[in-house]
Amino acid sequence: AQSVTQLGSHVSVSEGALVLLRCNYSSSVPPYLFWYVQYPNQGLQLLLKYTSAATLVKGINGFEAEFKKSETSFHLTKPSAHMSDAAEYFCAVSDGGLGNQFYFGTGTSLTVIP
Amino acid sequence: DADVTQTPRNRITKTGKRIMLECSQTKGHDRMYWYRQDPGLGLRLIYYSFDVKDINKGEISDGYSVSRQAQAKFSLSLESAIPNQTALYFCATSDFEGYGYTFGSGTRLTVV
Repeated sequence: AQSVTQLGSHVSVSEGALVLLRCNYSSSVPPYLFWYVQYPNQGLQLLLKYTSAATLVKGINGFEAEFKKSETSFHLTKPSAHMSDAAEYFCAVSDGGLGNQFYFGTGTSLTVIP
Repeated sequence: DADVTQTPRNRITKTGKRIMLECSQTKGHDRMYWYRQDPGLGLRLIYYSFDVKDINKGEISDGYSVSRQAQAKFSLSLESAIPNQTALYFCATSDFEGYGYTFGSGTRLTVV
C-alpha cells in the first residue's frame, strides 16, 4: 500500500525566500509521485510529476522536486517565493499500475509574506 | 470549456435529503474518481470507475453511491444527506497510465 506524509501543515516564507515543502512517501512498488497546487476556490492543478525518469523534476511556475529513493522523499522547492505562490500544496503517490489509485497527503498551506 | 465540469458549484441541502453531484469530462479518459476534501484531512477517495461497467469503492464510500452513465459522465449521490458530509467534493479523471489526474473545480456541499 502507498501513503504520503507532508511535514508541516502550514509554511510561511518571505517573498523572495526559498520555498521548501516536504513530502515523504511509503510504497511497496516503485512509485509515481506528484505535486498538486490548489488556489483558493479552485480545483487541484498538477504542478509536476515523477514517473521513473529523471530524479530531478521541473514543473510549472519555477517549482521543482527531487526524488530521493534512499530517503523516500519528494520535496518541493522554489528558489524565490512570489506572492502568487500562496496556495495549498498536495503531494500524492500512485503505483501507476493497472489498479492505480492516488493517495494524497493532508496538504501544506503556503503563506508568502511581503 | 473546462476539461472536467462539476455541477453544481455550491449546494446547501437539509439533513435527510437526497442529492446528486454531477461530473462530465471532455478528456476522453476512461478513469474517473470522486474525492472529498476536508480541512486537515486532504483528499479521500469515495468511489472510482475504470470504465462504464466498472465501479469500485474507495476508502470512505459509506453513505454514498455512484453512477457511470457514460464514459464522460460520473455522478455521485448522497441518498440521505447528513451534516458530516459537509465538504468540498472533487471529480477527477485520468488516462490509462495514470500519469496524473485532471480535477474539476469542485462542489462545495453544506448539509444543514
